[in-house]
Amino acid sequence: TQLLEQSPQFLSIQEGENLTVYCNSSSVFSSLQWYRQEPGEGPVLLVTVVTGGEVKKLKRLTFQFGDARKDSSLHITAAQPGDTGLYLCAGVGFRFGNQGGKLIFGQGTELSVKP
Amino acid sequence: GAGVSQSPSNKVTEKGKDVELRCDPISGHTALYWYRQSLGQGLEFLIYFQGNSAPDKSGLPSDRFSAERTGGSVSTLTIQRTQQEDSAVYLCASSFQGVVLDTQYFGPGTRLTVL
Repeated sequence: TQLLEQSPQFLSIQEGENLTVYCNSSSVFSSLQWYRQEPGEGPVLLVTVVTGGEVKKLKRLTFQFGDARKDSSLHITAAQPGDTGLYLCAGVGFRFGNQGGKLIFGQGTELSVKP
Repeated sequence: GAGVSQSPSNKVTEKGKDVELRCDPISGHTALYWYRQSLGQGLEFLIYFQGNSAPDKSGLPSDRFSAERTGGSVSTLTIQRTQQEDSAVYLCASSFQGVVLDTQYFGPGTRLTVL
């Protein structure tokens, strides 16, 4: 069974601080995705990382895929209250082949950024 | 915009009753997924439909859970003889082809409460 361990589960910080969320597994994934979810809504895709060692930037958010494709991180620079929400990592395994797309989610990180 | 829609948005039922949850995917999307999000378990995969292929039911927690997709579009998730542990938010997602790097678009979910 492929599992994703996400940490921390809860994070409360002040506006302007930096933070990093980690997503770790003992399994290799073909790609890894990060989502953000607001209360009462479904998750919305932020980014997909595919290549080991890949780094992607989305404004103040930086996403990294580990060299071995088993872990990923999300770093937010100068957090703002608008960044508040639930952040989820999700992995896609190799074994799903052309039936791919089944996502394995981490437990999520509940981020609160206070003004 | 025509996103993924789900109904009802909230459902309260008594233990032992059957419930049906509906998902309308984005028009033209051939892949449809059901996930369940609960406090203790995070977001977990339930079932996946891709075109005319046999569905991947590997995530269904028990034989009380079933799903069908009619005409390659609308899907219904049925839970028979509901139990209190079935209380969760049930999320539906669709993607264009269901291949590994397809973006999954999530609906707002149905919050099920079993009393």
